[in-house]
Amino acid sequence: QKEVEQDPGPLSVPEGAIVSLNCTYSNSAFQYFMWYRQYSRKGPELLMYTYSSGNKEDGRFTAQVDKSSKYISLFIRDSQPSDSATYLCAILPRAGSYQLTFGKGTKLSVIP
Amino acid sequence: DTAVSQTPKYLVTQMGNDKSIKCEQNLGHDTMYWYKQDSKKFLKIMFSYNNKELIINETVPNRFSPKSPDKAHLNLHINSLELGDSAVYFCASSPQAGGSGNTIYFGEGSWLTVV
Repeated sequence: QKEVEQDPGPLSVPEGAIVSLNCTYSNSAFQYFMWYRQYSRKGPELLMYTYSSGNKEDGRFTAQVDKSSKYISLFIRDSQPSDSATYLCAILPRAGSYQLTFGKGTKLSVIP
Repeated sequence: DTAVSQTPKYLVTQMGNDKSIKCEQNLGHDTMYWYKQDSKKFLKIMFSYNNKELIINETVPNRFSPKSPDKAHLNLHINSLELGDSAVYFCASSPQAGGSGNTIYFGEGSWLTVV
């Protein structure tokens, strides 16, 4: 089983829709969970960062971690065409680790 | 002013050639990385350096050799290029080892095509 699994999509939604992006991971000891956004022909940029379980909100974006299910989610409210990108979940096993492991990314298109 | 810059952005070369990709970060970070993103968009770490010292060396062919002359630079040299080396190579940096709120900043990528 891969350390991080992510449905690659593609996912296409109308503008204004709520988007739900998800990843599962294999090791319950993992502690740090991130979502990166990657526009076409660009490098990934950090969008959200969560430590352990719970929710974190930043504007239209909410990151959620359920450690009991080993499941992480990113919700985008009122989606905009500018949100069209590939979203990658990433996991850092513990503080001080250099080993950031990425999911395969989900390509999202928001249609005006 | 670009935080993590890498050159060249695009590189097309023939099989068997040797090529280098250069990376520089002006963020004052201690740790730098090379990641490879294949045609299926899977991003995987290749190497990590902390203060010029090799920390991570994933299962990468010996034809790939990173070099860190100082902590602001991490170059990637590839010998005897093969078709399967075609990918996007991302340089990245972080203040120190990840976690505890530290984040990893990526460059814009270098698109390598081997023909």
